[in-house]
This record gives sequence, C-alpha cells and structure tokens, in this order.
Amino acid sequence: QSVLTQPPSVSGAPGQTITISCTGTSSNIGSGFDVNWYQQLPGTAPKLLIYGNRHRPSGVPDRFSGSKSGTSTSLAITGLQAEDEADYYCQSYDNGLSGVVFGGGTKLTVL
Amino acid sequence: QVHLEESGPGLVKPSETLSLTCTVSGGSVSSSGFYWEWIRQPPGKGLEWIGNFYYDGTTSVRPSLRSRATISVDTSKNHFSVKLTSVTASDTGVYFCARRHDILTGHDGFDVWGQGTMVAVST
Repeated sequence: QSVLTQPPSVSGAPGQTITISCTGTSSNIGSGFDVNWYQQLPGTAPKLLIYGNRHRPSGVPDRFSGSKSGTSTSLAITGLQAEDEADYYCQSYDNGLSGVVFGGGTKLTVL
Repeated sequence: QVHLEESGPGLVKPSETLSLTCTVSGGSVSSSGFYWEWIRQPPGKGLEWIGNFYYDGTTSVRPSLRSRATISVDTSKNHFSVKLTSVTASDTGVYFCARRHDILTGHDGFDVWGQGTMVAVST
C-alpha cells in the first residue's frame, strides 16, 4: 500500500482532458513537501513530467500541468493524444519515514 | 549531459546478496546538490524507493529495507552501488538508479534515470 494515493486507472478519448489525483497526509504533502510527477511508457524508465508541484521541465508540452491544494495534488492532461497512454506516478518526501515516497501509479488509457 | 547505467547479475539465488552498480557519465557523484538514488519496480507494480547517497557522504534507506540494504559510492570510479542481503522472491523486479535534485537547487525531482536492469530471485 503506497503512502501517496492515486486512482489505479483513468481513461479519456483523444482531445479530451483528464486529471489524476494524488492524495497524501500531514507527514508528506500536507507538511509542504513538493510533489513531482513522472510518466512511464511501457518498458522504459520514468521521465520527470512536473516538478515542484506545477513546473514543467524543458521539452514537456504545456498540455501537462500540475496543481496542489492542501494534502492533495493533481496532474491534468489536456488535448489527450494516443502517445500519452502510459503509467503516471506522483512522488514526494515523507517526514515520518524520512524518505522518498511514490504514489501507486495511475494507468492512463486513451480510448 | 548526465547518463546513468546499471550493471549487475540478472539472476540471484534466494538467501544470497544482490549487488548492483550505477556508473555515472557526464557528471560526478561528488557534485553538490544531488542525491544518487536506487528505486525498484516489481513486475506489474509501482515504483518503490530503496535509498540514496548524498554528495556529503550521508546515506538513507527506506525503513523496511534498513536491515538488508547498503548504499555505497566509489568516487574514484564515479559509480554508486546497492547491496541487498538475504533476498527472496519479493525482491524480484527492475532496479533503476537515478539522480535527484536537492531542494536547495530549486526542486527535488528525479531528473536523470538509468534504463533499469531486471533482477530475478530464483533457484
């Protein structure tokens, strides 16, 4: 069971907008620790998608955006494309565990 | 551009020790502002943080693995390693090494990853 909670799956049609939630607790996200998001295509290593809750690394399309409120964060993808089909993970730091924590991952299916 | 590459045996027998090395090119494990990390992913499951080495020499390991996992670094070879003792089938998975920023650099995301190496624990 992961420290950060994500829905196991989401789906959407091409062109639509989807959001993936990531809920934590007062010992991680609620303590003010940043959340980062990763995209993992099948058979590959994760790729940093969003850092510091809402910032995109160079090269990441602006269709991807992140937000944070209290103990929850969200990743939004607008204008869904077939190539967005992947697993998405949130990540933060946990004071109680004194270490990095990941969400359980969300599988995005583009219909 | 920093590049990471994992190496080590793909098959380990139960109760033995799993040893993996991550070779860093295009950068230095002694660079300030970075953590050098190990993460694993059991087949069909999510990412699990194992532990890290910080440039100042400190290490950190997830609580459930503290009795079995050791993270070390060889600055002369510019690589870092993980050893996991008394392995069982539940240690099977893809092992990734990665670089994570210190929040003092502006963010604490994992920005560079190795391609991952599959390790199976089996007789």
